[in-house]
Amino acid sequence: NAGVTQTPKFQVLKTGQSMTLQCAQDMNHEYMSWYRQDPGMGLRLIHYSVGAGITDQGEVPNGYNVSRSTTEDFPLRLLSAAPSQTSVYFCASSTTRGRETQYFGPGTRLLVL
Amino acid sequence: AQKITQTQPGMFVQEKEAVTLDCTYDTSDPSYGLFWYKQPSSGEMIFLIYQGSYDQQNATEGRYSLNFQKARKSANLVISASQLGDSAMYFCAMREGGYSSASKIIFGSGTRLSIRP
Repeated sequence: NAGVTQTPKFQVLKTGQSMTLQCAQDMNHEYMSWYRQDPGMGLRLIHYSVGAGITDQGEVPNGYNVSRSTTEDFPLRLLSAAPSQTSVYFCASSTTRGRETQYFGPGTRLLVL
Repeated sequence: AQKITQTQPGMFVQEKEAVTLDCTYDTSDPSYGLFWYKQPSSGEMIFLIYQGSYDQQNATEGRYSLNFQKARKSANLVISASQLGDSAMYFCAMREGGYSSASKIIFGSGTRLSIRP
């Protein structure tokens, strides 16, 4: 049981480049989310999903797209990277079966030059 | 309006003392959930404890307990007998709405806890 996995661990992009951050979970959780954490700050919700085929915007969705074609995968796409998107990105999955819990992946550190 | 407020940016506590980390929240939805997470310097997010709005008892998980005062809209984390390994950032978070909002969890700004030997 790998839990929540994220790739890559670290990425450097140039302004204007696009890329996809991968997130996968093997716990059959219904719910998945993407957050960003800027230095010294809390986590801000980018996009979230309540199930395959269903996504919605969080607090800071601009510049990001998501899709959820399967229960396991929830990739985050940066359309045209900007220096303001330099951050640590966390993917999380959660369930309400039994006790409600949310598990986080290890994070992807992104630097946009 | 800020939904989750953590008013203590940093705290220093002597080892083996109990510590309370404050969290207040704002919601008009009768169904919600409250979470606490620990983020050590290594960066990973560790789930600590959960309290549902309809739960009658305060949640406990080992040395962690959540002091849930619904009328005051507060959900303070209490760590008993603090240890050096408790030094970390601690985040309070809230799911607003029913279980269909389980992926829409928002976070406070965090409290940095430092344990003195």
